[in-house]
Amino acid sequence: AQKVTQAQTEISVVEKEDVTLDCVYETRDTTYYLFWYKQPPSGELVFLIRRNSFDEQNEISGRYSWNFQKSTSSFNFTITASQVVDSAVYFCALSEARGGSNYKLTFGKGTLLTVNP
Amino acid sequence: DTAVSQTPKYLVTQMGNDKSIKCEQNLGHDTMYWYKQDSKKFLKIMFSYNNKELIINETVPNRFSPKSPDKAHLNLHINSLELGDSAVYFCASSPRSTSGGRHTQYFGPGTRLTVL
Repeated sequence: AQKVTQAQTEISVVEKEDVTLDCVYETRDTTYYLFWYKQPPSGELVFLIRRNSFDEQNEISGRYSWNFQKSTSSFNFTITASQVVDSAVYFCALSEARGGSNYKLTFGKGTLLTVNP
Repeated sequence: DTAVSQTPKYLVTQMGNDKSIKCEQNLGHDTMYWYKQDSKKFLKIMFSYNNKELIINETVPNRFSPKSPDKAHLNLHINSLELGDSAVYFCASSPRSTSGGRHTQYFGPGTRLTVL
């Protein structure tokens, strides 16, 4: 069975600090997809990134970057120069490439990031 | 403009009542989902539908019945509401794609259900 672990329940930083959110996953499949979602205090779930298991290239999008390492089954998320608007719960999720339309997202428990001014 | 919408946003009701939550997506997606987020923020899938066909039913009590009148709509009806049903319910959809895009789910704003 697939599993996603976000060991950090809460992180608190001061604005402009860099912060890394950890995500470790378990799956028996060789083909799978990893995701990060952001849930700000307003409550909606915002898609940030998808990475497939065959692509271990790191990705950077503005102040956000993601480090995917298959060897350690990790998909970590770094926010550089954090801002107050980054305060949110961040979820890591996993989807296995099963047949048909069975695309179930398994979520980690989330990390609450608080960025203080 | 709204991609995935849900109504109502808030729902407060008494134990034992029956209620429905509606979901609509205008993204042209083929697959729709219901997730439940509990008070500890844990998100778990309940159902998925592909082109009006039930694909996933994750050991949800049969008091919960999803209904998909067409592929743009997936409604959730809950009978005999219990205190433990209080949660935020999210609808999501994902596109038909030959690549990983079909795994990407876009979520609605959520419906906060409170059972008194």
